[in-house]
Amino acid sequence: SQQGEEDPQALSIQEGENATMNCSYKTSINNLQWYRQNSGRGLVHLILIRSNEREKHSGRLRVTLDTSKKSSSLLITASRAADTASYFCATDAYGNKLVFGAGTILRVKS
Amino acid sequence: GAGVSQSPSNKVTEKGKDVELRCDPISGHTALYWYRQSLGQGLEFLIYFQGNSAPDKSGLPSDRFSAERTGGSVSTLTIQRTQQEDSAVYLCASTLLAGGGSEQFFGPGTRLTVL
Repeated sequence: SQQGEEDPQALSIQEGENATMNCSYKTSINNLQWYRQNSGRGLVHLILIRSNEREKHSGRLRVTLDTSKKSSSLLITASRAADTASYFCATDAYGNKLVFGAGTILRVKS
Repeated sequence: GAGVSQSPSNKVTEKGKDVELRCDPISGHTALYWYRQSLGQGLEFLIYFQGNSAPDKSGLPSDRFSAERTGGSVSTLTIQRTQQEDSAVYLCASTLLAGGGSEQFFGPGTRLTVL
């Protein structure tokens, strides 16, 4: 089974609104990463948050990590049509590889 | 090159044929990963190469799948006797450092369709 599980599976919002996506995982982690995927092709790294960090910002992105609840959230503020994509969380459970969740499909309507 | 490249971008084959998918990682990157993504799904780990160490093949779904990485650079994923359930996008990623603590740089993928 997948380590990371995102919710919601799909999200549709109006341009300018904020979008929040959540990720839950099962085991202790070293870090958690968020990626974006457009049109079912290559993924682009958005942000990495380490297990000893609680919040991280990058432009319009804000990621939180709650290791006690084994969960993370990705907030995109003031969304744009170009933010329409699938968003994946991936966890590094002190191994050689990342384990990806099934993703959240975000649609931003203009 | 500037990024990870993969070829071909699309491959259509008949059931039972063998296919080879190629990945050129970013120059100097230590680790290389192969993933498979079925339609509307997340990424499924297949195999991981790191330097001269033995590859982690724990994600390969059957012995029809194999991969090699020559000279610590280019990698080829081979699928023998393809089946319809092999249809998916195959993604390659490389990282500067080994392990899961680094950002992964992904190629555009190869969309494999088995008829």
